Amino acid sequence: AQSVTQLDSQVPVFEEAPVELRCNYSSSVSVYLFWYVQYPNQGLQLLLKYLSGSTLVKGINGFEAEFNKSQTSFHLRKPSVHISDTAEYFCAVSDRGYSTLTFGKGTMLLVSP
Amino acid sequence: DSGVTQTPKHLITATGQRVTLRCSPRSGDLSVYWYQQSLDQGLQFLIQYYNGEERAKGNILERFSAQQFPDLHSELNLSSLELGDSALYFCASSGEAINYGYTFGSGTRLTVV
Repeated sequence: AQSVTQLDSQVPVFEEAPVELRCNYSSSVSVYLFWYVQYPNQGLQLLLKYLSGSTLVKGINGFEAEFNKSQTSFHLRKPSVHISDTAEYFCAVSDRGYSTLTFGKGTMLLVSP
Repeated sequence: DSGVTQTPKHLITATGQRVTLRCSPRSGDLSVYWYQQSLDQGLQFLIQYYNGEERAKGNILERFSAQQFPDLHSELNLSSLELGDSALYFCASSGEAINYGYTFGSGTRLTVV
């Protein structure tokens, strides 16, 4: 069975500062990894995904994530955040096949002026 | 608009009652997933249907049931409702493989009073 740990429940940061949201996973098989964003009162929106190939993946809104197999991590980064990035971010994992996504508990990114 | 439609957006009902939540998947998607989101449990997978058949089951209570109809829309039935069932219920859809991740609806907020 897979599991996902998002190490920080809340990350406060000032506007234009860099940010990293941490995600670790456990799985006995090769995995697909995803990051989703949830703005207030909305559903989840796909930010980026890692399926195979280059370990650095770029997503929407200037976000990127790096897959590290030895560390079983998939941390999300942005070099300069905006107020509009304030949202909850979810990391998710699935084995390479047809299984369901397992989500972490989410990290609330709070960007202040 | 993600292409996944959930109705109703809000639902307030009393303990002991039964409600039905509806989801229409994105055009072309055969898989439908139901998730429950609460503050303490995060995003919990309930059940998956693929082309009308149940494919995977998660932490779904016996009081809850779901089905997917020939036109691929899905309904989640919640009965004998308890205060603790108050949550956001999300529907998501995908193709047969999840390479592209899920597309989420905007959710149904259920309040049990």
